[in-house]
Amino acid sequence: QITLKESGPTLVRPTQTLTLTCSFSGFSLSTHAEGVGWIRQSPGKALECLGIIYWDDDKRYNPSLKTRVTITKDTSKNQVVLTMTNMDPVDTATYFCAHTKGFRNGWAIPRYAFDFWGHGTMVTVSS
Amino acid sequence: DIQMTQSPSSLSASVGDRVTITCRASQSISNYLNWYQQKPGMPPKLLIYGASTLQSGVPSRFSGSESGTDFTLTISSLQPEDFAIYYCQQSYTASFTFGPGTKVDIK
Repeated sequence: QITLKESGPTLVRPTQTLTLTCSFSGFSLSTHAEGVGWIRQSPGKALECLGIIYWDDDKRYNPSLKTRVTITKDTSKNQVVLTMTNMDPVDTATYFCAHTKGFRNGWAIPRYAFDFWGHGTMVTVSS
Repeated sequence: DIQMTQSPSSLSASVGDRVTITCRASQSISNYLNWYQQKPGMPPKLLIYGASTLQSGVPSRFSGSESGTDFTLTISSLQPEDFAIYYCQQSYTASFTFGPGTKVDIK
């Protein structure tokens, strides 16, 4: 059974750097076509994908946040770390990590989707 | 970047109703389209991937279809546990953009 859990600070000051850790079990990030993504949701708002790290260490970032976001993995610890610089009050949100895998249904190129999610961690940016 | 829109933004329906939610991509995304359900205080739940393939364990009253850049999520007979917010998401580009959501509540 796949589980994920986010951890990190609940309060961050403006201009500071946010570091969140996603600890997971039930899969390995060295397995082909698997990955972990970070998604956030501002209060009462829609979802925004920040980026994804894949089994082969390929990383894909949301272009609108690319200069601020870094995602790394520690396969031996089953952890993925999100780093987001220059935090602003508009970055106040619940941050989720989620497992993604490439689904194959006769497609030559797999279709990726987030099939297991952590419960999220609320991060407030305020002075 | 690819923009996703959804309509309606909200709807009221009764148990047993057939419900249809539409998602439109700003450019072609083939069938790189997923649907999620989110209930208050919970993370999203994957319902459909590849525009029309039901995720394991999801009831068969949910279905998805595509026509060009338009995608549809249909609930054939709304159940009490289906009242939630539904999001589409494209996985064609790195931004994995989500739509703004459609809230389904009780009439």
